[in-house]
Amino acid sequence: GNSVTQMEGPVTLSEEAFLTINCTYTATGYPSLFWYVQYPGEGLQLLLKATKADDKGSNKGFEATYRKETTSFHLEKGSVQVSDSAVYFCALLKDSWGKLQFGAGTQVVVTP
Amino acid sequence: IAGITQAPTSQILAAGRRMTLRCTQDMRHNAMYWYRQDLGLGLRLIHYSNTAGTTGKGEVPDGYSVSRANTDDFPLTLASAVPSQTSVYFCASGSYTGELFFGEGSRLTVL
Repeated sequence: GNSVTQMEGPVTLSEEAFLTINCTYTATGYPSLFWYVQYPGEGLQLLLKATKADDKGSNKGFEATYRKETTSFHLEKGSVQVSDSAVYFCALLKDSWGKLQFGAGTQVVVTP
Repeated sequence: IAGITQAPTSQILAAGRRMTLRCTQDMRHNAMYWYRQDLGLGLRLIHYSNTAGTTGKGEVPDGYSVSRANTDDFPLTLASAVPSQTSVYFCASGSYTGELFFGEGSRLTVL
């Protein structure tokens, strides 16, 4: 079956540090992959996505590349801000009806 | 811009009581979903609806029911709440692409 594995948090960083959150998946074929972000007290919102192998999704300074060889979709940002403090979820598209399989989430805390 | 509206925002409920969480969208999306969020488990799909008039079971459907009488509304009902249903519930909608729009959540505590 499908599964998504993320690195455990919390990840604590200083402002302007480099952020990497690892995400690997197990699936049949090559499903679309997503990163969602949840800011404190809010619902999830789409951060970026990639629909096929070698695609790079990017948004708000975040990037992730779809690597089929390593079945990974790691999230990176070169210089984080305090406002990037949130929980980040990796997800894959399970079927053609739009259902998602989420990872457990990784909390990121950025300190000034 | 409303998007997805959920109610109530939070609720404390006695075990055995019936509870309905409301969800309304104004984006005319065909698909709607209910997820529950639990620490360390991420989001798990409870029920979904691919289009008005149809519903289906997700990963953790036991103890929950849904209906989809029209495009906009997708209520989730707990017929007889139990403490293990203490969670944060998120309603979402989308157009089958995996790009989902989420509500702000309903925090439910069952005592």
